[in-house]
Amino acid sequence: SQQGEEDPQALSIQEGENATMNCSYKTSINNLQWYRQNSGRGLVHLILIRSNEREKHSGRLRVTLDTSKKSSSLLITASRAADTASYFCATVVSGGYNKLIFGAGTRLAVHP
Amino acid sequence: GAVVSQHPSRVICKSGTSVKIECRSLDFQATTMFWYRQFPKQSLMLMATSNEGSKATYEQGVEKDKFLINHASLTLSTLTVTSAHPEDSSFYICSARTGWGNQPQHFGDGTRLSIL
Repeated sequence: SQQGEEDPQALSIQEGENATMNCSYKTSINNLQWYRQNSGRGLVHLILIRSNEREKHSGRLRVTLDTSKKSSSLLITASRAADTASYFCATVVSGGYNKLIFGAGTRLAVHP
Repeated sequence: GAVVSQHPSRVICKSGTSVKIECRSLDFQATTMFWYRQFPKQSLMLMATSNEGSKATYEQGVEKDKFLINHASLTLSTLTVTSAHPEDSSFYICSARTGWGNQPQHFGDGTRLSIL
């Protein structure tokens, strides 16, 4: 079953604007990861934040993690049309093979 | 680096056919491989987890006799959809990982399966 929810489900913005996506989860985690999926393709790993980290940056991406609220956010700054994709958060659930459980995803459309 | 190749990318076949999908890690050894299913505009649902040389661990509700998984080597896992029916039509995605849970997963490009 899915670990949590993401909001918004869909986001439409203009090039140059910032895009913020939120993710909530239900159980304790080892880490939280964000992935991107272009339409009809596989997923590309964007960033991993460990449970003892609060913020992480990678290029135009900024991820925050609040374990007390069981939530994370992904900020894409200065968006480009090429950023149009679906974005998923995924949590690593402890035990077994430490499998990833994906959120519902946010469909981002960036208009030129 | 960390390329995962999934083949075929698209399959269209008649009901009752068995379909095999391959997932290969091209430049690394995958300790663990995962198989997901994705319906249109929905998230990925984990079907099963496999480690090389051992039986796959299936998620609740996934029929192991329907979805046969073989992980014969550290670079190859296969998913066979046996006696496929229209309700099995979906987008199937594999991923591979080295080490344990603190490593990212590397995904194939998916296989779109259409059963007529």
